[in-house]
Amino acid sequence: NAGVTQTPKFRILKIGQSMTLQCTQDMNHNYMYWYRQDPGMGLKLIYYSVGAGITDKGEVPNGYNVSRSTTEDFPLRLELAAPSQTSVYFCASSDTGGNQPQHFGDGTRLSIL
Amino acid sequence: ILNVEQSPQSLHVQEGDSTNFTCSFPSSNFYALHWYRWETAKSPEALFVMTLNGDEKKKGQISATLNTKEGYSYLYIKGSQPEDSATYLCARYGNQFYFGTGTSLTVIP
Repeated sequence: NAGVTQTPKFRILKIGQSMTLQCTQDMNHNYMYWYRQDPGMGLKLIYYSVGAGITDKGEVPNGYNVSRSTTEDFPLRLELAAPSQTSVYFCASSDTGGNQPQHFGDGTRLSIL
Repeated sequence: ILNVEQSPQSLHVQEGDSTNFTCSFPSSNFYALHWYRWETAKSPEALFVMTLNGDEKKKGQISATLNTKEGYSYLYIKGSQPEDSATYLCARYGNQFYFGTGTSLTVIP
């Protein structure tokens, strides 16, 4: 049972480049989330989705875009990479909303130079 | 921005000691409180989800309590073992999730 799968695991980008972080879950969960984790900081919510076709901003959405065309996939797009977006990114999913535990992927470590 | 505070930031205990951590959060518009265990080089793993004032949850030697009126939750570990070494995160859910910065626990054999 794969759970939540994130690709790639590591990536180095140049300033101004764009990329998409992939997230797929096989648990048929409705809710999916993207977080970033910076050193000494907690997980910060970037975007979340409550179902296919529905997305909403979290605490730190600037510089990112998301889409949710299927239940399984929730990609995160960086359009113009900036050094401030160097971070570890985690995708998570849950069956319903806040009363269910989140299942996390292994993370994507992104460096922007 | 909604502040979820965790204390202490880090803790070193001897094997066999019992310990506890605190998670403080704004009590207004509260829906649920989550605890996660995060081992180095792994991803966070859910321990408990609590929603009701006075909730108590237990998993093995780890337990948690919730006070929604005053806005805090305690996580207890009884008889800590080296394998309990991890960062323990709490997260408050109102209309979205806000995580604390975690308590890093090191259990010394």
